[in-house]
Amino acid sequence: DSGVTQTPKHLITATGQRVTLRCSPRSGDLSVYWYQQSLDQGLQFLIQYYNGEERAKGNILERFSAQQFPDLHSELNLSSLELGDSALYFCASSGAANTEAFFGQGTRLTVV
Amino acid sequence: GIQVEQSPPDLILQEGANSTLRCNFSDSVNNLQWFHQNPWGQLINLFYIPSGTKQNGRLSATTVATERYSLLYISSSQTTDSGVYFCAADHGSGNTGKLIFGQGTTLQVKP
Repeated sequence: DSGVTQTPKHLITATGQRVTLRCSPRSGDLSVYWYQQSLDQGLQFLIQYYNGEERAKGNILERFSAQQFPDLHSELNLSSLELGDSALYFCASSGAANTEAFFGQGTRLTVV
Repeated sequence: GIQVEQSPPDLILQEGANSTLRCNFSDSVNNLQWFHQNPWGQLINLFYIPSGTKQNGRLSATTVATERYSLLYISSSQTTDSGVYFCAADHGSGNTGKLIFGQGTTLQVKP
């Protein structure tokens, strides 16, 4: 158990819908990262929050947004879903930069 | 940004065999991690190894930062070692800690 909790584990939804993925980081970790794993793109960094503030942005679509709350949990919002958004979405957390990152079990999103 | 390349892309072993997986990265790194993705999709931390050598049971890893590569050794492989092995690196620019992943090595260990 990495200590990073993601919910839900599985999600099936229709095109055009909006979903929210939730992540609770390891106790004491201030950084939360979101990654997307798809068959054609591999594991890609989406966005990072550090203590409530956006710290870095990767290849995140405009239809996607995230936030980190005062209790440090984070949510990734995916809207206007397309078939191509079907993927495994991971959350990771770490203490400071340059320290080991730990990953949650992932949320498997299927858009039908 | 930093490029991370892994080799080989696929590897098939008989149980009990040893193997070496390689990870090349294009720039200096502040963080280098190895992960095992099991058949259920979980990413399991194997090593945090920006430099030097570490061992954990049948697994060991070495990172030679000056030559920009890391190696993961698996000895006496078992069927439970099957899965995808990822190397991921953080260049350190912007002091974010975001990881760039390689494409992975898919390992199949046959009984």
